[in-house]
Amino acid sequence: KNEVEQSPQNLTAQEGEFITINCSYSVGISALHWLQQHPGGGIVSLFMLSSGKKKHGRLIATINIQEKHSSLHITASHPRDSAVYICAVRSYNTDKLIFGTGTRLQVFP
Amino acid sequence: DTAVSQTPKYLVTQMGNDKSIKCEQNLGHDTMYWYKQDSKKFLKIMFSYNNKELIINETVPNRFSPKSPDKAHLNLHINSLELGDSAVYFCASSQEGQATLWYEQYFGPGTRLTVT
Repeated sequence: KNEVEQSPQNLTAQEGEFITINCSYSVGISALHWLQQHPGGGIVSLFMLSSGKKKHGRLIATINIQEKHSSLHITASHPRDSAVYICAVRSYNTDKLIFGTGTRLQVFP
Repeated sequence: DTAVSQTPKYLVTQMGNDKSIKCEQNLGHDTMYWYKQDSKKFLKIMFSYNNKELIINETVPNRFSPKSPDKAHLNLHINSLELGDSAVYFCASSQEGQATLWYEQYFGPGTRLTVT
């Protein structure tokens, strides 16, 4: 079993829908990252957090350290949000980044 | 104003050859990384360098040798290429060592390596 699990693996939405992507992890962490990989392959860091909640535009990321769970929310989704969203945690013990397998999101107009 | 650049973007080569991928960052970061993304799109860290010193070395065949001539560059040299080395390789950098422990990663565009 992967130390970082994401759900769902694939997600299809209509433009305007509210989207939630989940990430659960089993190791102690010092930080959690949400990354976006565009269809062209480029990777962008969206959020890095270790507690609470962060918001950037239509994107919101939350983390619950006790439950070892994070969620990425997209409000008023748009076709340009179509991408693979990757959760990654920095292991507290080894300092390495461990990646989830990603969630492929497609938003249709 | 590319923050993290990699060359080449595409690399097609035959088994047994030796090849290098170059990475440069102009962000003034102390730490650079190499990641491998396999055909299933799973990202995995290979190496991490901080101020030209090796910090993380995952279980990677010793055919892979990173070289950091200065803290702005981290090149990846691969000897005796094998079919299984075909993947997309991403370079990244971050500003480590801050008291907040915030290590935001900045990724390069990736190098798609195809070994035939």
